Amino acid sequence: DAGVIQSPRHEVTEMGQEVTLRCKPISGHNSLFWYRQTMMRGLELLIYFNNNVPIDDSGMPEDRFSAKMPNASFSTLKIQPSEPRDSAVYFCASSPYGGGSGRAGEQFFGPGTRLTVL
Amino acid sequence: RKEVEQDPGPFNVPEGATVAFNCTYSNSASQSFFWYRQDCRKEPKLLMSVYSSGNEDGRFTAQLNRASQYISLLIRDSKLSDSATYLCVPNPPDKLIFGTGTRLQVFP
Repeated sequence: DAGVIQSPRHEVTEMGQEVTLRCKPISGHNSLFWYRQTMMRGLELLIYFNNNVPIDDSGMPEDRFSAKMPNASFSTLKIQPSEPRDSAVYFCASSPYGGGSGRAGEQFFGPGTRLTVL
Repeated sequence: RKEVEQDPGPFNVPEGATVAFNCTYSNSASQSFFWYRQDCRKEPKLLMSVYSSGNEDGRFTAQLNRASQYISLLIRDSKLSDSATYLCVPNPPDKLIFGTGTRLQVFP
């Protein structure tokens, strides 16, 4: 299995530009998570999908952030407009377990996208 | 009180040593717990799941103390390759909270 695939691996953009991050979860996994990691705040859950439906987006920082999961094999996280404080590593993770199972913590992470907003 | 608290370290230990990390959590509704390891500039990887009082996998042992609301990770016979950051993850219903991690450095 190829594991969770994320693209791009690195993104450098200027403030105000739109940024789209992509994720392909492991085939057969029905839960998908987007995280952001910074030195100051650690790893933060942004949004969680189960069976392609957003279940919890309470971690999305503001309206500039949006996420979609049009099918079981693809998800995007979009930032529009981007700001320097959005600079972070964004991880996508998938799990074969749903949130209610108590096993959703068993997740497989992608390699991350390192975003720098100038 | 923070939802998850971990000593950031670093813990510097020689090869072969035994080292233990503690993690305290505030939500008593947490039923399951996870330990992840994260190497520098890499993604987190699941190390161990804890669904009852503890779990053991080779050199790694996790112990849960629900009364005091902490979970520990014990690493025996440390290897150089154990050098990483260890993230504690309590799982209250419908939520997953990552600690900021404890950094371990094993030296020869």
